[in-house]
Amino acid sequence: GDSVTQMEGPVTLSEEAFLTINCTYTATGYPSLFWYVQYPGEGLQLLLKATKADDKGSNKGFEATYRKETTSFHLEKGSVQVSDSAVYFCAPRGNQFYFGTGTSLTVIP
Amino acid sequence: EAGVAQSPRYKIIEKRQSVAFWCNPISGHATLYWYQQILGQGPKLLIQFQNNGVVDDSQLPKDRFSAERLKGVDSTLKIQPAKLEDSAVYLCASSLLARGRFGSYEQYFGPGTRLTVT
Repeated sequence: GDSVTQMEGPVTLSEEAFLTINCTYTATGYPSLFWYVQYPGEGLQLLLKATKADDKGSNKGFEATYRKETTSFHLEKGSVQVSDSAVYFCAPRGNQFYFGTGTSLTVIP
Repeated sequence: EAGVAQSPRYKIIEKRQSVAFWCNPISGHATLYWYQQILGQGPKLLIQFQNNGVVDDSQLPKDRFSAERLKGVDSTLKIQPAKLEDSAVYLCASSLLARGRFGSYEQYFGPGTRLTVT
């Protein structure tokens, strides 16, 4: 069945550090790939998405590239800010949405 | 544009009691989802509606959970009787359709209902 494996946290970084959160998936067919973010005390929000191989989703300085050959969709940001502190979820969408377990990120000044 | 509305925001009940959650999706969204998010885990899909029909309820514990979307708009999720392990945040989400020509439509999530079963 479909599944997703996401890098475990928590992750603590200093401001302006480089961020990578790994995500790999298994899915039947040709899934769309999403990253959602949950800021403290708020609901889930779409961060970015990609719908076909080699597509790059980007938003708020975050990027992720749809790698069909490695079934991966790693999230990256070149310079994190304190305001990026949140929980990040990888969510492939094949026959249905599967969410990863979430990676908690804390950025310290 | 108004977002997905959910109520109540918080609920505390004793085990074996019943509870119901309400969700009003974004206007015009045909697809509605209910998720269960246990602390420290990602959301797990319980049930998906397309208009007022059930598309997927394979992970809904049907012996105690039920959901309906009678007029294809708002929806209720009920638990009867509740167990301790039902303590979680229940999320409602909606999207235009489940899957479009260029892949899946974005889901918009409500703030969730935090259920504590004691």
